[in-house]
Amino acid sequence: DIQMTQSPSTLSASVGDRITITCRASQSFSSSSWLAWYQQKPGKVPKLLIYKASTLESGVPSRFSGGASGSEFTLTISSLQPDDFATYYCQQYYSPPWTFGQGTKVEIK
Amino acid sequence: QVQLVESGGGVVQPGGSLRLSCAASGFAFSRFGMHWVRQAPGKGLEWVAFIRYDGSSQYYADFVKGRFTVSRDNSRDILYLEMTRLRVDDTAIYHCAKDLMRGYTYGVDYWGQGTLVTVSS
Repeated sequence: DIQMTQSPSTLSASVGDRITITCRASQSFSSSSWLAWYQQKPGKVPKLLIYKASTLESGVPSRFSGGASGSEFTLTISSLQPDDFATYYCQQYYSPPWTFGQGTKVEIK
Repeated sequence: QVQLVESGGGVVQPGGSLRLSCAASGFAFSRFGMHWVRQAPGKGLEWVAFIRYDGSSQYYADFVKGRFTVSRDNSRDILYLEMTRLRVDDTAIYHCAKDLMRGYTYGVDYWGQGTLVTVSS
């Protein structure tokens, strides 16, 4: 099974900051297409932000971007907004079981 | 609009069984793969199971393999999760979720609000 390891587990940042969350897969994918990022706020269901590692879901602000290099994937928020304080999860769809990372909580500094 | 409404959760003793349902509407259910994802209180997301749009293939997380069975009724637009030999650590909110794209699993774009399963003696 592919393990997905996110870092950091918690990130403290201020409005306007540029932040990057990393998700590392325990094995490389033949293509970066099989990675998605979700945002979850307390008491809410997750929201799809990015799929195919770097394709923005419809309606998601352009300050969100995704990248991939080998087995390492990144989610970057270029200028953190108040609405962005939440927990973020990566998930691989390369090979079942389709595992999530453990989550990264983005907190207000 | 897309709606996914889960039901069937409740309190069950360890070793017991439950069947969850997810009623889908607002999209062509028979054309999309469907997932079950769970979240224990205060914990992260765990992918549980997937079924292809036509029911021809199913995949499971290792921790439920042999205990849970995912199925679907495309004539009634309903997704199921049959849960047997339940354990205390199966306690979670169980969500059904819809594949983003027909024919490929790149992510899920709609989630139900979930149904709570509590396994306790």
